[in-house]
Amino acid sequence: ELKVEQNPLFLSMQEGKNYTIYCNYSTTSDRLYWYRQDPGKSLESLFVLLSNGAVKQEGRLMASLDTKARLSTLHITAAVHDLSATYFCAGKSSSGTYKYIFGTGTRLKVLA
Amino acid sequence: DAGVIQSPRHEVTEMGQEVTLRCKPISGHNSLFWYRQTMMRGLELLIYFNNNVPIDDSGMPEDRFSAKMPNASFSTLKIQPSEPRDSAVYFCASSPNTPGVRYGYTFGSGTRLTVV
Repeated sequence: ELKVEQNPLFLSMQEGKNYTIYCNYSTTSDRLYWYRQDPGKSLESLFVLLSNGAVKQEGRLMASLDTKARLSTLHITAAVHDLSATYFCAGKSSSGTYKYIFGTGTRLKVLA
Repeated sequence: DAGVIQSPRHEVTEMGQEVTLRCKPISGHNSLFWYRQTMMRGLELLIYFNNNVPIDDSGMPEDRFSAKMPNASFSTLKIQPSEPRDSAVYFCASSPNTPGVRYGYTFGSGTRLTVV
C-alpha cells in the first residue's frame, strides 16, 4: 500500500523567506493532493496534481509533481504570517480505489 | 451546498459509554470517509464507503468501532465501549467517484471526542 512521507515535519521561517516542503510517496499514484489545516480547524483542499510535470500556483504557494521521482513539492515564496498552518499531501492508495493516504503533515510557522 | 456536516462538534463522555458520531456528506458524492486525527498518529483513515457500501475498513482499530451508511445522505461512526485512548478529532469527508480536477475530498468540521 502507498506510503506518504513529508519533510520537514516542522518548519519555522521568517517572513519574506522562501522554502519548500517535500512529499515522497512509495508507489504509483495517479494524482496528488495538497491540503491546509489551520489549528483547530478542518482540512481545506489547496491543489490537485494530475500528471507528471504538473504545476499549480495560487498566491505565494506553488505545487509541483514529479511522478518518476515520486515526489511532490510545495514551494512557499516570500512567506507571510497568514501562511502559518499545517500542510498535508495525499496520494491515491492504489488503482481501482478512491482511498487516499495522507502524509504526516508539515507544521509551518511564519515568524513576523 | 452546506458542505459535509458533522455532529456533534464536541463530545465529552465517560469511559465505557457508547459514542455515536454523525455525518451528512455532500449531495451527489459517492464516497464517504471517516478519519481520525491525533498528535501521535496523525491523520488515519478508519473506513470508507462507496455508494453506501463499506469498501475498506482495515483502518478500524478494534471491534469497538463500527460504521454504517444506511443511505447516501447519512453515516455514523460508533464506539462502544469508549476508552480514553479514543480521544481524538474525527473527520468525515466525501468525494465524487472521480474527485474533481480542482479539489479532492471535502472534509467536515470534525468532532472533537474526549473520553474521560
